[in-house]
This record gives sequence, C-alpha cells and structure tokens, in this order.
Amino acid sequence: DGGITQSPKYLFRKEGQNVTLSCEQNLNHDAMYWYRQDPGQGLRLIYYSQIVNDFQKGDIAEGYSVSREKKESFPLTVTSAQKNPTAFYLCASSLLGSSYEQYFGPGTRLTVT
Amino acid sequence: QKEVEQNSGPLSVPEGAIASLNCTYSDRGSQSFFWYRQYSGKSPELIMFIYSNGDKEDGRFTAQLNKASQYVSLLIRDSQPSDSATYLCAVTPGWADRGSTLGRLYFGRGTQLTVWP
Repeated sequence: DGGITQSPKYLFRKEGQNVTLSCEQNLNHDAMYWYRQDPGQGLRLIYYSQIVNDFQKGDIAEGYSVSREKKESFPLTVTSAQKNPTAFYLCASSLLGSSYEQYFGPGTRLTVT
Repeated sequence: QKEVEQNSGPLSVPEGAIASLNCTYSDRGSQSFFWYRQYSGKSPELIMFIYSNGDKEDGRFTAQLNKASQYVSLLIRDSQPSDSATYLCAVTPGWADRGSTLGRLYFGRGTQLTVWP
C-alpha cells in the first residue's frame, strides 16, 4: 500500500522534554511538509523539504527542528523551547513538477503537560 | 504572507441541497487551487484541484475558478450528511516566489459544513 504513515497516533510528554514525531512516505514524492493544527484553526506550516538534506522554515518554525536524510523520511522534533506544543501535527508530501497537490498522513496528536 | 480567505461558517444546508463554499486569495500569480475535506479529528483529504478558469466537475463536486476575480468555489450537489466536515481551500504561490517556496501551499482556515437530514 502506498501512503504516508505517522507514528504514534497519540503522544504524551512532560513539559521540558524533547519529542520526535515520525513521518514516512512510500509514494516517491519529492517534497515533505509538517503542519500544526490547533482546535478550530487552519493549518500552519512548520517546516518543509523539497529535496534530501535541505529544508525550509515555514511560518512557525521556532521551537521545532527537522532533518531529511532520506527521501522517504522527514522526522519533526518538538523541543522544550516550543512554548505551546500541544496540538495536532500533520505530515504531508507532494511531487514537484506539473502538479503540487499535497497528501496528508493520519496525524499525531501531541499532548504536553 | 499570502492571504487565503474562507467564511468560517458554519454553513448549514438540508440533505439534497447544493452547498456552496467560497474562497478568495490575494496572490494574483497563483496557478493551482485545491479543495480538501477534513472530518473532525482526522487529517485533510484532497477532493478537487483546478488550474484553469471555469468549472471542473467530479461526481457531485464542482470546482469553479475565476482568476480575474481571484475567487475559487466548491459546489456540492445533492448534499449528504456524510459531507458534513470542514472544507479547506489551498493555493500555490505565484510564479515570482516559486524558487524557495516551490511546492508550498497556502491554506485558508476552512469552512465548516453541516448537512442535516
């Protein structure tokens, strides 16, 4: 089955701890993206990567870090510097070329107390 | 910051009616436009995309694009309770920004649709 997987579905952490969210895709897509969604809010872009070993900051990158060592994988680390980390985190991927539609994984719901 | 505006709703229509969802965007150079459906607690799902002015139909869904007015809409015919969800509009950046923002989409906040039986 082709698709985007995110794990875990639910994640609980204590304040002050770093946490890494996993995102894997087997669609052979070039680009990958991380979004954050808060209740009743739209999607806010955290980071994105167009190619392996390169990534760009989105609109709310502070307190987050990413890596893109493989085309298939784009993990997101939520650091202790992120002031309000509790949110629904969505990973997406897309081909770069004639079309730019993004496909989303199922998401990870992070709760930090 | 590119602006993508949607009425937040909620939009409420009876079963069998036509639901009309609207989206305006600020970047005159935007080329591609997408509609996503998001059920409560789930991730967004792509339902339509449109690149050219005019209408594009896919089953009960019709996307309409008017680049001169910077306006894109989604019509849902014969609305069903299962269509109740939040609908997100997304656009690509204009050609001037393509290099560093290649692949990026700008999303609206979404319109919540409720279809009642």
